[in-house]
Amino acid sequence: AQTVTQSQPEMSVQEAETVTLSCTYDTSESDYYLFWYKQPPSRQMILVIRQEAYKQQNATENRFSVNFQKAAKSFSLKISDSQLGDAAMYFCAYNSGYALNFGKGTSLLVTP
Amino acid sequence: NAGVTQTPKFHILKTGQSMTLQCAQDMNHGYMSWYRQDPGMGLRLIYYSAAAGTTDKEVPNGYNVSRLNTEDFPLRLVSAAPSQTSVYLCASSYRDSPRPQHFGDGTRLSIL
Repeated sequence: AQTVTQSQPEMSVQEAETVTLSCTYDTSESDYYLFWYKQPPSRQMILVIRQEAYKQQNATENRFSVNFQKAAKSFSLKISDSQLGDAAMYFCAYNSGYALNFGKGTSLLVTP
Repeated sequence: NAGVTQTPKFHILKTGQSMTLQCAQDMNHGYMSWYRQDPGMGLRLIYYSAAAGTTDKEVPNGYNVSRLNTEDFPLRLVSAAPSQTSVYLCASSYRDSPRPQHFGDGTRLSIL
């Protein structure tokens, strides 16, 4: 079974600064997808960014970008120009079949 | 477009009682899944269904599902136990890859 590890239970960043959330995964497959989801206190899971494993180029969505290192099985999320609205739980997820395998999450606190 | 709708949002059950959590999506998604979310544990898959008329069991303990049509994927707790106290999230996605999943707002279920 594929496992996803988020080693940072909590992170803190000042408004307008940059923060990086870590994620590693374990798989023997070559074709898969990786996602970062954001979960604010409302509980709604919001897709932040996704990466196809066959693509070497790192995905970018506005202030959010990833550093995908396939050989190292690492998939970190960088948030630039952090905003108060970025405060939430962030989950890294792996998909190669029907459903997602999630990490345990990182709680991001944004301070003014 | 409502997306994924879950009802109820909150519920309290007594041990041994049964209950059905409702999930409906209006995006004509083939795949639907149920996850449970517990503090510090991330999201864990309970069941998924690849299409109407099919279900694929992942974790059978005390749960049951049916997929009579494309839109609905109810989750039934047959005889509730305190260990099933959790937030339950329903998700759906297209059959094609990649499969970023669309989530409902969840049901917070407490079993006394």
